[in-house]
Amino acid sequence: EAGVAQSPRYKIIEKRQSVAFWCNPISGHATLYWYQQILGQGPKLLIQFQNNGVVDDSQLPKDRFSAERLKGVDSTLKIQPAKLEDSAVYLCASSEAVPGNTIYFGEGSWLTVV
Amino acid sequence: GDSVTQMEGPVTLSEEAFLTINCTYTATGYPSLFWYVQYPGEGLQLLLKATKADDKGSNKGFEATYRKETTSFHLEKGSVQVSDSAVYFCALGYNQGGKLIFGQGTELSVKP
Repeated sequence: EAGVAQSPRYKIIEKRQSVAFWCNPISGHATLYWYQQILGQGPKLLIQFQNNGVVDDSQLPKDRFSAERLKGVDSTLKIQPAKLEDSAVYLCASSEAVPGNTIYFGEGSWLTVV
Repeated sequence: GDSVTQMEGPVTLSEEAFLTINCTYTATGYPSLFWYVQYPGEGLQLLLKATKADDKGSNKGFEATYRKETTSFHLEKGSVQVSDSAVYFCALGYNQGGKLIFGQGTELSVKP
């Protein structure tokens, strides 16, 4: 079974530039998550989708971050304009829409803002 | 609000040593508890979980028991191997909603 796919794996940009990350969840998984993991910290949820609807985006900095999940499958996370403190690993994860099901993570997209 | 606290790392052990990584939590409800592991260059993988008080999760020689009275979910392994070197994350989550709240992670380094 294919896992959660993310791209690009690594990205270096200058502050105030924009960047986009793409995620393809495990086939059939209705729930998709984007987490931000700053070096030395645990992952923090940015946004959760159920199919193509947003369930929780309370910790998404909406002035610069946006995310969409068109057609309830792939998702894109965008940052514009980037700040130095956005340097982190952006993890995409997915799970079946059944309470208590395991959440599966991708390998992450490493962002460095210089 | 809910939170998870793990012991500070890095933890350095010799091969075959006993491992304990402490994890305590604060929860407003009755969460499930998880340990995830992140090997170098790889994504987070579920190691084990427990869904209610007194449950014991186990996998690959690792164990953790959900202790409601001490709000803890300590990870243990009787004999670690070099291949266990990784970062370990404790997390809590609720069945309804699904999102996980993570601790800060504990890096384990096992020397031969």
